[in-house]
Amino acid sequence: EIVMTQSPATLSVSPGERATLSCRASQSVSSNLAWYQQKPGQAPRLLIYGASTRATGIPARFSGSGSGTEFTLTISSLQSEDFAVYYCQQYNNWMYTFGQGTKLEIK
Amino acid sequence: EVQLVQSGAEVKKPGESLKISCKGSGYSFTSYWIGWVRQMPGKGLEWMGIIYPGDSDTRYSPSFQGQVTISADKSISTAYLQWSSLKASDTAMYYCARLETYYYGSGSLYYFDYWGQGTLVTVSS
Repeated sequence: EIVMTQSPATLSVSPGERATLSCRASQSVSSNLAWYQQKPGQAPRLLIYGASTRATGIPARFSGSGSGTEFTLTISSLQSEDFAVYYCQQYNNWMYTFGQGTKLEIK
Repeated sequence: EVQLVQSGAEVKKPGESLKISCKGSGYSFTSYWIGWVRQMPGKGLEWMGIIYPGDSDTRYSPSFQGQVTISADKSISTAYLQWSSLKASDTAMYYCARLETYYYGSGSLYYFDYWGQGTLVTVSS
């Protein structure tokens, strides 16, 4: 079973600054990696799929990169509405595993 | 507009059975897999299993195999998650989500593009 590890667990960043979140897979998942945002009391929302393609309606300040085992979600200039928990998720062999999440908080 | 609407919150006692639902609309329900995701209080997301309503093909995470049953009734565009005997540790928010598949030259990508609003299940004596 592939294990997804996100780092850091909590990231403190000031509004307007850049945030970089990492996700590592225990074995290659090619580009089958998605990122989701979850705000308190809400369902997760798809941000990125295929490691780097923004979902419909997602602002350009969100970008994803990586392939194989190392992936990054970058938010270029943090807005107040971006402070949330972010999850990566992989697909491999009928398994859809999530990382444990990174909480992005206001510094 | 694609929508997944889940049934309301439930409060149950240990040992009781439960079936929660997820109704899809705005798309061809039989053409997309529907997954279920658990979120325990203050914790992260855990994929439980997935069903293809077109033929009821179902796959489970090893962590949830034998613990829950996933089913679907395509005539009413509804997927279900059920327990035969609840435990206190089943207390959680449960989400359904539609699986999108994107095909490209050498492979395919899979991701959950639409989510239900969640069903809170509380199991307490």
